[in-house]
Amino acid sequence: KQEVTQIPAALSVPEGENLVLNCSFTDSAIYNLQWFRQDPGKGLTSLLLIQSSQREQTSGRLNASLDKSSGRSTLYIAASQPGDSATYLCAVARSNYQLIWGAGTKLIIKP
Amino acid sequence: ETGVTQTPRHLVMGMTNKKSLKCEQHLGHNAMYWYKQSAKKPLELMFVYSLEERVENNSVPSRFSPECPNSSHLFLHLHTLQPEDSALYLCASSQVRGRGTEAFFGQGTRLTVV
Repeated sequence: KQEVTQIPAALSVPEGENLVLNCSFTDSAIYNLQWFRQDPGKGLTSLLLIQSSQREQTSGRLNASLDKSSGRSTLYIAASQPGDSATYLCAVARSNYQLIWGAGTKLIIKP
Repeated sequence: ETGVTQTPRHLVMGMTNKKSLKCEQHLGHNAMYWYKQSAKKPLELMFVYSLEERVENNSVPSRFSPECPNSSHLFLHLHTLQPEDSALYLCASSQVRGRGTEAFFGQGTRLTVV
């Protein structure tokens, strides 16, 4: 059974710092891994998708890595800004239709 | 806007009411999903429709009834709900092709059952 864990559950850092969010999964047989952000009371915004054959993806200040053998993904945020404050969710696709979700990391960037 | 639109954004209903949630996607995708997000819990997949046919149903209570009349529209019909059904209901869509597909979400409907 695939389980997805995100650590830490919450993180507060000063503006300008680089930071890493972690996602681990128990079954390496995945289709892809996707990172999302969610602002309070709102829907999810897709940030990055890494296919199972890829090692990393980059978009602006965000970089996501994938290591299937160890069951880990990291989301690196460079030069953090207050606008980055949100909950970050990772999800692992175990089929064309089913995503298995972590509980999220709530990130607060202090001005 | 993400290309997936949900209405209403907020809904308060009594346990004896009947209401429907609506989702519309403008992305030309071939699969649509309903998720439930409760406080401090991971997202729960409720229903998946691909090419207007239900392909997954994760043992959701019958008081939730989905309808997918075409590839762009998805409904969730609600009746005789319980207070524990209060949650954020999220609709998503994706283009399923081969392995690996990116999901796009709507803004959600915040449902409160009183």
